[in-house]
Amino acid sequence: EVQLVESGGGLVQPGGSLRLSCAASGSTFSRYSMNWVRQAPGKGLEWISYISSSGSDIYYADSVKGRFTISRDNAENSLYLQMNSLRADDTAVYYCAREVNWGYWYFDLWGRGTLVTVSS
Amino acid sequence: EIVLTQSPATLSLSPGERATLSCRASQSVRSYLGWYQQKPGQPPRLLIYDASNRATGIPARFSGSGSGTDFTLTISSLEPEDFAVYYCQQRINWPPITFGQGTRLEIK
Repeated sequence: EVQLVESGGGLVQPGGSLRLSCAASGSTFSRYSMNWVRQAPGKGLEWISYISSSGSDIYYADSVKGRFTISRDNAENSLYLQMNSLRADDTAVYYCAREVNWGYWYFDLWGRGTLVTVSS
Repeated sequence: EIVLTQSPATLSLSPGERATLSCRASQSVRSYLGWYQQKPGQPPRLLIYDASNRATGIPARFSGSGSGTDFTLTISSLEPEDFAVYYCQQRINWPPITFGQGTRLEIK
């Protein structure tokens, strides 16, 4: 069974940095585009970043553009999110999510998330 | 940016009843809308894609309809495990990919 497992969350001070990882089991990781989606405590889902299967296309939400960097290592079946200049409103559970093209593009596989808390 | 507005914010029903959840888009997304279910402490799960197609393993009591700007998720007869938060999502006009704010389906 294919799984996504996030890691790297924790408590960080405002202005600090953190690097999240998402490890994918199975040998098909390189075929899929991947995303990061976050959820602030008690709030809804917010898409924050996309990377194509090859890594050649990358997009960000305005809320994180210039501060966060998405990347992937297909040889290691891993997705990353480098987060810099963190703010209190970045506090959230961060999910990695795989996209599939079933007619159009949807998130068919999610990790369980990793909690990032930005606080002094 | 396409804004998805879900209604109602909270829906209180009893097991066995029919649930009807709405998602309205600020501009047409054609039929390219997904629905997700999220239970406490769990990640979202894809229920419906392309407005009306059930994802793998999703029970037949879940159905979706609509096109353009108005969409509906219907649960024909609520089971205890269906009480959760439901989100709609679009990716036709992106970035950004957007989600609705969610509808909480609670036990009456």
